[in-house]
Amino acid sequence: QKEVEQNSGPLSVPEGAIASLNCTYSDRGSQSFFWYRQYSGKSPELIMFIYSNGDKEDGRFTAQLNKASQYVSLLIRDSQPSDSATYLCAVNPTGTASKLTFGTGTRLQVTL
Amino acid sequence: SAVISQKPSRDICQRGTSLTIQCQVDSQVTMMFWYRQQPGQSLTLIATANQGSEATYESGFVIDKFPISRPNLTFSTLTVSNMSPEDSSIYLCSVEAGRGETQYFGPGTRLLVL
Repeated sequence: QKEVEQNSGPLSVPEGAIASLNCTYSDRGSQSFFWYRQYSGKSPELIMFIYSNGDKEDGRFTAQLNKASQYVSLLIRDSQPSDSATYLCAVNPTGTASKLTFGTGTRLQVTL
Repeated sequence: SAVISQKPSRDICQRGTSLTIQCQVDSQVTMMFWYRQQPGQSLTLIATANQGSEATYESGFVIDKFPISRPNLTFSTLTVSNMSPEDSSIYLCSVEAGRGETQYFGPGTRLLVL
């Protein structure tokens, strides 16, 4: 069983719409959760991190965490073509110090 | 955050040779990591580079194949030894900076082995 699972996509949304990206994880004791954006040919760029249940907002981005359901999501409001990228979910599993386990990523396409 | 540079940015190598990749950070950091990202795949952690001691390798990665140095708190190297075409990949270093386990990535080294 994969430790961090994401739908590979592509997820296609029209410009201006809300994009919803989802991630599930297997380690119930995980405490830290991260979303990275990776443009083609570039390295991952941190978008947000979240530690507590609930929502965390930063500009057009909202991360949502539900530890009971082992589920973390990223919402992108007013999606722009420049948001087209692969979004990687990363989790810090229990007892792994600072290590992160990455999902396979969801490719987002924002269409005009 | 942290500003991270890697050298070389890309290279084409012959099988059987070795390549050393450098990672430089603009501030002192405790934790540095090396990842591999094969074409179309996600990131796989190779090892944690520990300052003053041997690196800690993940399952499937060994020191003879991927020796790592960490001479100080701002610098690390990863060597890919006795390369084969299967080693063609992007190699990324990252550092832990800021709150919690937040990691920031360098620009990566794109390696093609012929």
